[in-house]
This record gives sequence, C-alpha cells and structure tokens, in this order.
Amino acid sequence: DQQVKQNSPSLSVQEGRISILNCDYTNSMFDYFLWYKKYPAEGPTFLISISSIKDKNEDGRFTVFLNKSAKHLSLHIVPSQPGDSAVYFCAAPSGGSNYKLTFGKGTLLTVNP
Amino acid sequence: GAGVSQSPSNKVTEKGKDVELRCDPISGHTALYWYRQSLGQGLEFLIYFQGNSAPDKSGLPSDRFSAERTGGSVSTLTIQRTQQEDSAVYLCASSLDHREGVYGNQPQHFGDGTRLSIL
Repeated sequence: DQQVKQNSPSLSVQEGRISILNCDYTNSMFDYFLWYKKYPAEGPTFLISISSIKDKNEDGRFTVFLNKSAKHLSLHIVPSQPGDSAVYFCAAPSGGSNYKLTFGKGTLLTVNP
Repeated sequence: GAGVSQSPSNKVTEKGKDVELRCDPISGHTALYWYRQSLGQGLEFLIYFQGNSAPDKSGLPSDRFSAERTGGSVSTLTIQRTQQEDSAVYLCASSLDHREGVYGNQPQHFGDGTRLSIL
C-alpha cells in the first residue's frame, strides 16, 4: 500500500516555463515532507522540505505547497531550466518515526530548450 | 568531502561470499541511515544510527545483515553469505540530529549508493 503517491510518471515543459510536480499522501499523521531530485546512477539530492505547520516553503526557484486537507503537496519550479531535467521524488517519514523515509515512485521531468 | 561518500560504487560477487559496504557521512551529521532499493521496488529502510548506537535495526532483512558505526562517523554494512535476492542498490544517508528537542525534523542527504550484484 503506497503511502506516498506520484501519479504522473513524466512531465515535459519548455525552458522558462513553470514545472508543477504533484504528490498525494494517505496518512494524515505525516507531518514533514521532502522533495528530492535524482539523476541516473546518482543518489537522491535533497531539494526542499516543508513541515505540516506551514502551507508554503520557498527556496530560490523552488516552492513547495502543502494542502493538508487534501493530503496533497506540489513542487513548483520557476523558471524551469534544462538542468532541472531529472526524476523528482516526494518523500515523508513514516512507520511511526520521523526518519524512515518512504518515497513516491517519482516523476521524470524533461525541460526542453 | 562535502557530501555522503559510499564505496565501492559497484560490487559484483558470487553467491555465498561476504561483502562489506562503506559509508562516510557528512561531517557533523550524527544520524546515519542505510536503505536499499531492489530492482523495480521503492526505497527500503534498513537501519538507523544515532552516534555509534543503532536504536532502530528493524529493517535488516535477516541475521546475515549487520552494520556498525565507529567514531560517530564511518559506517559499514556487512552482508554475510550473500544470496541473489540481496542484489540491489544500497544507499546511505546522513542528517543532523533529528530527535525532538534537538534539531527536530532534518532532511537526509544521500550518497550515490553501492550497486551490489550477486551472481
């Protein structure tokens, strides 16, 4: 049973436009969420996180929005750059801990020049 | 180094052999985690260290798996008598102390993993 779901396996956007990556979760007890970016043959790279006491966190071109009532979060990348092309994972600590990360299956973002 | 370092990056060995995987966390990170990802599967938690202690070993799949951490830094994951189902990418991550009352929630920073293939 997937507790963190990314329903879009891929997304393609034009350079300079906004990329919106979505993630849904099932457990209302989750209180901390993270986004990671991954290139082939590399480990996940931490991008940005958000605590459930907030509904928005911004870091440069990256903004994460959290809608607790809908159990939904999204990552906005503005403006998108070709170097952003990678697989993006949302994750949350689960299993009654604040460290056992469970990951979604990822969304492959392609930013076209 | 600036990031989490894992070695070797690739390991191919015969069934029944023992293997040792190494993780060098980010300097100053007291928490260290091992995960593995089998082909087509999600990330599976194995073990968590706080300093040199492992308060949570619940993810280790069998007693053939063990891990230690020394000096609050380098960690070694050992798999004895390897089986083909042990083939996976083994990822190590580290973070600042995430315990409540210390820093609270902390992002985990991952190494590039060791790709283990058992023939």
